[in-house]
Amino acid sequence: DGGITQSPKYLFRKEGQNVTLSCEQNLNHDAMYWYRQDPGQGLRLIYYSQIVNDFQKGDIAEGYSVSREKKESFPLTVTSAQKNPTAFYLCASSPHRDGTEAFFGQGTRLTVV
Amino acid sequence: AQSVAQPEDQVNVAEGNPLTVKCTYSVSGNPYLFWYVQYPNRGLQFLLKYITGDNLVKGSYGFEAEFNKSQTSFHLKKPSALVSDSALYFCAADSWGKLQFGAGTQVVVTP
Repeated sequence: DGGITQSPKYLFRKEGQNVTLSCEQNLNHDAMYWYRQDPGQGLRLIYYSQIVNDFQKGDIAEGYSVSREKKESFPLTVTSAQKNPTAFYLCASSPHRDGTEAFFGQGTRLTVV
Repeated sequence: AQSVAQPEDQVNVAEGNPLTVKCTYSVSGNPYLFWYVQYPNRGLQFLLKYITGDNLVKGSYGFEAEFNKSQTSFHLKKPSALVSDSALYFCAADSWGKLQFGAGTQVVVTP
């Protein structure tokens, strides 16, 4: 089945530790995105990538890092510099042409204790 | 700064009544516009989009949206709401590959 997969669904980490969230797609999409969702704040764009080996900061990139070494993968690392990392993280991909809509993963809920 | 605004945190409507969820955007160029729906602890599901052409676009589950360029709005509508339409709705704008979302509007449909 074609789709976009985020893993794990739930993730717990101790404060001060880096953690990497996985996002894989087999839709052959060029563009991939990471969003953070907090109650009442909607989806805020962290990073996005329009092509392999290239990515851009979104609106809230501080404390996060990404890589795009393969077309199908766009992992997000939440570093210890992120002051408030507990949130629901959503990954998306799109063909990035002609206004074709993005497809979303099911999300990863990160809790830092 | 580019942004998408959804002025209502929550919309309450009785089943069978018309539903409207508002969205305005402030982005450069001629963005692609989208509506998505989210159910608890899930990803977003695509409802409909505006690319070009007719200002009234129809989407999934009986939803439609009206694009108004002069008002930079893209309001979501449904003529007759169902209880199962209760969910969180997001408006989005894609401008030059940067896909931005509004804060979301919680729709509550009561029987």
